[in-house]
Amino acid sequence: DAKTTQPNSMESNEEEPVHLPCNHSTISGTDYIHWYRQLPSQGPEYVIHGLTSNVNNRMASLAIAEDRKSSTLILHRATLRDAAVYYCILRDVNDFNKFYFGSGTKLNVKP
Amino acid sequence: SAVISQKPSRDICQRGTSLTIQCQVDSQVTMMFWYRQQPGQSLTLIATANQGSEATYESGFVIDKFPISRPNLTFSTLTVSNMSPEDSSIYLCSVEDWTGGGYGYTFGSGTRLTVV
Repeated sequence: DAKTTQPNSMESNEEEPVHLPCNHSTISGTDYIHWYRQLPSQGPEYVIHGLTSNVNNRMASLAIAEDRKSSTLILHRATLRDAAVYYCILRDVNDFNKFYFGSGTKLNVKP
Repeated sequence: SAVISQKPSRDICQRGTSLTIQCQVDSQVTMMFWYRQQPGQSLTLIATANQGSEATYESGFVIDKFPISRPNLTFSTLTVSNMSPEDSSIYLCSVEDWTGGGYGYTFGSGTRLTVV
């Protein structure tokens, strides 16, 4: 049911920006793009979400392609605490009971 | 945001037995969700629990194996019945929550179940 595609893993250096890509070519007009991350031994936590426009919050930025078929989560300065699995998820506003996780991207941050 | 407490945090159980996992939320919520995360895997939605009605199960999950209760707006339980080693997983509950930028989901820290 997951409708997103992400690389299995990525690596980054500490204090450098990280761009995590996500493809969602079958996205519908009512799908919001959500990003969550799961730190080791914890439940997933909300990072950011958007519909069409780019979004910024204190944790990250979300860049959404003009055709909405892809998006990129941007961590502006990676820290060791950002090492986690990052999930890109589509949430349909007309069916908010369905929140399906894909396989995610495991981010490794090197000191 | 909502705070979720799950109990137990971990357990080791004998095959053939059952375990009931509790999920307590510090605010009233309409929908609660139960997920399973098998070792090294992503999360899989088991069911959606609405207060006062039967839970709705996803394909591959049945009520006899994973009975769910939802007695009020702040509490739910998931039972893993007649366990086998294949049930060894992390079980997480989740609620819809206001994230500051819109509605998203808050998750508990999970129950790590090992069946021997």
